[in-house]
Amino acid sequence: QVQLQESGPGLVKPSETLSLTCTVSGGSVGISSYYWAWIRQSPGQGLEWIASVFYTGTTYYNPSLKSRVSISVDTSNNQFSLKLTSVTAADAAVFYCVRQQIAAENFDLWGQGTLVTVSS
Amino acid sequence: DIQMTQSPSSLSASVGDRVTITCRASQSISRYLNWYQQKPGKAPRLLIHAASSLQSGVPSRFSGSGSETDYTLTISSLQPEDFATYYCQQSNNIPYTFGQGTKIEIK
Repeated sequence: QVQLQESGPGLVKPSETLSLTCTVSGGSVGISSYYWAWIRQSPGQGLEWIASVFYTGTTYYNPSLKSRVSISVDTSNNQFSLKLTSVTAADAAVFYCVRQQIAAENFDLWGQGTLVTVSS
Repeated sequence: DIQMTQSPSSLSASVGDRVTITCRASQSISRYLNWYQQKPGKAPRLLIHAASSLQSGVPSRFSGSGSETDYTLTISSLQPEDFATYYCQQSNNIPYTFGQGTKIEIK
């Protein structure tokens, strides 16, 4: 079955760029039925949708983060990635990579999540 | 942004109880409403999509209803594995937004 696995540094310094990658196994990111998304969860902000990407490279961003966020897809490696620039302590969270059904626009498959701490 | 407000924030219940959680949107979301269950240390799990459609593999004791701005998740007979936090999420408008969660605890 399809599985998603996040990878990336668990610790990022303030003002630096957070970079995460999601590897999709058991299926392809190149399927037209799905977007691929990043969602984060912090005690203070709850669950927050960050961005979504289609295999063609079409992207959608949360306006609150759009100036600092970039999402991309790599179909050759069956991965998609997130970059968040100029991080602060408020960006610390568990980051999930998620499959998003296009038709129903729900998040039907989640990675296990990766904790990112922001500290010098 | 569309604000999603869940009530209650937490509740205590016993095995076998019927439990209802409410989610209210700040504007009509035309049944683009999804429910998720999250257990400690785990990722959320999709339970209900499009307000009332049961996700594959989810027990039939879970059901959803509602329209416009008001939606409910009902667990007909609470089981031990249902003690968790539940979130609603709207997909009518970008940015997609979630409720703050409802934690079901054991009475």
